[in-house]
Amino acid sequence: SAVISQKPSRDICQRGTSLTIQCQVDSQVTMMFWYRQQPGQSLTLIATANQGSEATYESGFVIDKFPISRPNLTFSTLTVSNMSPEDSSIYLCSTRDGGDNQPQHFGDGTRLSIL
Amino acid sequence: AQSVTQLGSHVSVSEGALVLLRCNYSSSVPPYLFWYVQYPNQGLQLLLKYTSAATLVKGINGFEAEFKKSETSFHLTKPSAHMSDAAEYFCAVRPSGNTPLVFGKGTRLSVIA
Repeated sequence: SAVISQKPSRDICQRGTSLTIQCQVDSQVTMMFWYRQQPGQSLTLIATANQGSEATYESGFVIDKFPISRPNLTFSTLTVSNMSPEDSSIYLCSTRDGGDNQPQHFGDGTRLSIL
Repeated sequence: AQSVTQLGSHVSVSEGALVLLRCNYSSSVPPYLFWYVQYPNQGLQLLLKYTSAATLVKGINGFEAEFKKSETSFHLTKPSAHMSDAAEYFCAVRPSGNTPLVFGKGTRLSVIA
């Protein structure tokens, strides 16, 4: 299965600033996803990022707040813009390759705290 | 919309006791179902998956799950709990081919010595 590396693993940021999270995969994958996990909560999908097309955002998430890049089949970035304390969460990169019955794999996440 | 419901946000068992974590899905056709585990400060690790090949699915670390269409359930079990099993467990469903996973709210498992 794909090995997913996320950077940074954690950060503490000031409100109003922006942070870019990197996701590197050790193999080429078609489908990449970004999830948010708020403290003590489950995972909520932010967007799907497939190479060669614009990211598709879920309801409640907009490109201006969470711009995503997917320049190739092994890399993606998620930027959290103009951060507020409500953005304090774990952000997880996930990938899937192969058929419909294949699982998604996850990085260890980026733990973000906004002061 | 397709969803999964995990009954019990927190389950506590004694070491050596049976672990039973409940998951029900909403679907008119059997979807793809998965169980993941999340240890503190880590991402999600796949425990097992149901893909219609067999109703009883064996996963890692001694876990297994049984798909019951009549009950729309996919409960996770382990005969004997270990202290190392303490973690957050998520049931997830893929409604159809190219859609991403939808997760349940999770169940936190505590194991008491």
